[in-house]
Amino acid sequence: KAGVTQTPRYLIKTRGQQVTLSCSPISGHRSVSWYQQTPGQGLQFLFEYFSETQRNKGNFPGRFSGRQFSNSRSEMNVSTLELGDSALYLCASTDRGMETQYFGPGTRLLVL
Amino acid sequence: LAKITQPISMDSYEGQEVNITCSHNNIATNDYITWYQQFPSQGPRFIIQGYKTKVTNEVASLFIPADRKSSTLSLPRVSLSDTAVYYCLVVNTNAGKSTFGDGTTLTVKP
Repeated sequence: KAGVTQTPRYLIKTRGQQVTLSCSPISGHRSVSWYQQTPGQGLQFLFEYFSETQRNKGNFPGRFSGRQFSNSRSEMNVSTLELGDSALYLCASTDRGMETQYFGPGTRLLVL
Repeated sequence: LAKITQPISMDSYEGQEVNITCSHNNIATNDYITWYQQFPSQGPRFIIQGYKTKVTNEVASLFIPADRKSSTLSLPRVSLSDTAVYYCLVVNTNAGKSTFGDGTTLTVKP
């Protein structure tokens, strides 16, 4: 099976802009989770979607949002970008619960 | 959610066995423990997962004591290519949330 794919792999934006990141899970997986990874804060859970519904959400401001489509692909959106949003954004998929998550390569976002 | 602590860094030599311990004192009944390996600018790669006792696969073993307040990842005979950051993850299946440790940077020397 193909692994989790994320696009784009790299992105440069300026403060105030918005950005949309995409994640395609492993075929057959219906749960997609998003994480933010920064040197200072480590890996932090953003949210998780299952069958097009957000089931869980981490402690991030409302500028961070997401959605999942009927084919399980997921998008994450960050509005009004801040310098501190510069990070590696990772998505992970599982087939049902969250016990075993498989990660994509990540999208490196740089906010200038 | 579980509070997770793991050593910041460890050094080893090629061919040695490496044990990395993760502390998760307030782990809940439905929590699973998973370990990941991450290289720079890549996503974490699944190594092994367990709930209790011992789990072994082709690359590692995971030891979980009866109280489940800690877990130990064991890497047999490490090589230079095992130099990476290793993360302990506790997944609360009821809340559907994951908590990562801060990662242990393992450096394998020749």
